Amino acid sequence: NAGVTQTPKFQVLKTGQSMTLQCAQDMNHEYMSWYRQDPGMGLRLIHYSVGAGITDQGEVPNGYNVSRSTTEDFPLRLLSAAPSQTSVYFCASSYAQRENEQFFGPGTRLTVL
Amino acid sequence: LAKTTQPISMDSYEGQEVNITCSHNNIATNDYITWYQQFPSQGPRFIIQGYKTKVTNEVASLFIPADRKSSTLSLPRVSLSDTAVYYCLQGDDKIIFGKGTRLHILP
Repeated sequence: NAGVTQTPKFQVLKTGQSMTLQCAQDMNHEYMSWYRQDPGMGLRLIHYSVGAGITDQGEVPNGYNVSRSTTEDFPLRLLSAAPSQTSVYFCASSYAQRENEQFFGPGTRLTVL
Repeated sequence: LAKTTQPISMDSYEGQEVNITCSHNNIATNDYITWYQQFPSQGPRFIIQGYKTKVTNEVASLFIPADRKSSTLSLPRVSLSDTAVYYCLQGDDKIIFGKGTRLHILP
């Protein structure tokens, strides 16, 4: 199993540009989530999904969209990038939310100029 | 907002046992307590999870008292490579990470 994969590893955007961060898992996990981590800070939940076709907002959803058309994929879209969205983005998945460990991807380091 | 409270940072020495306590006063009946470890430039990694009493694996032990309002992660005989940030999470539909505890192991 590849586990949780994220692409790209690094990305530089200009203010106002849009892009999609890709996340995929091959473990047949129902629960997937996106976090951002700013330097020296903890992780903040952006959006999550409890299964295909179901998504919900986390702590900091503004400026981001998600969709979950398949169990495997959970892309994160930045609608109009802003410097405040400069961060490291982690995708995670687990069999279920409550009593299962989450597996994290390697992260995408995004810089918005 | 994170539902758990833990110390911002801790220092210890190699070979010592380290205990990190987490407070979760509003824990719900169905919530589990989960601990993660994060090294710089990496995603968090699952350490241990428990519901009540004591759970032990090859890495750590987790103690949860009967009232479940707190928990203690115990790392036996730490080494320099245990320097990391440790997060205590209270299970819910939204899995929220707080700021974690920055553990620094000294030689």
